Amino acid sequence: QQQVKQSPQSLIVQKGGISIINCAYENTAFDYFPWYQQFPGKGPALLIAIRPDVSEKKEGRFTISFNKSAKQFSLHIMDSQPGDSATYFCAPMSAGTYKYIFGTGTRLKVLA
Amino acid sequence: EPEVTQTPSHQVTQMGQEVILRCVPISNHLYFYWYRQILGQKVEFLVSFYNNEISEKSEIFDDQFSVERPDGSNFTLKIRSTKLEDSAMYFCASSGSGTGGRVGNQPQHFGDGTRLSIL
Repeated sequence: QQQVKQSPQSLIVQKGGISIINCAYENTAFDYFPWYQQFPGKGPALLIAIRPDVSEKKEGRFTISFNKSAKQFSLHIMDSQPGDSATYFCAPMSAGTYKYIFGTGTRLKVLA
Repeated sequence: EPEVTQTPSHQVTQMGQEVILRCVPISNHLYFYWYRQILGQKVEFLVSFYNNEISEKSEIFDDQFSVERPDGSNFTLKIRSTKLEDSAMYFCASSGSGTGGRVGNQPQHFGDGTRLSIL
């Protein structure tokens, strides 16, 4: 029930294109849905997060879409840039716990 | 922007030896965590720590592991008798307290990790 499935495993996008990464979960107790960005040699860094009381949140070029009934949330990167090339993790968490359940990661490469 | 710092960046240890990984969390944070990432795999939760005691741990965090906050600034992970399969990147993270006492939804800030290589 803790399983978090992330897709695709890797993604190549042209500069200026839209990158879309999906995360599906099973645990209905999750109530915090962040996306983390990780560059090589660095730790994960919070990119954007959403609570289940809203269906979408936008911060600059980054948007989270949340579908509670389907138990899925996705990350959209608009106008993708080469500097966005990194590994992205979804990492939902349940209220009252302290641990993120990380997805398997998506390696994004944005071509110049 | 304040950050979590981890030392050393790379630790090489013989199998069976003890190793201590060190972390300095963000100064006003109260909750501390260790995660690990085996090469090419996902990040896995090990343990969380609050008010000088473990608040949650995973099945990975067995008796060979221990955590400690020896002073007001450091947070350590000790692996008592290392095994080959302990080779991984170990990340420390910290978070502040949430509103209304809810900590679970506060973002965790990660350090850049210690790469542990067991020979």
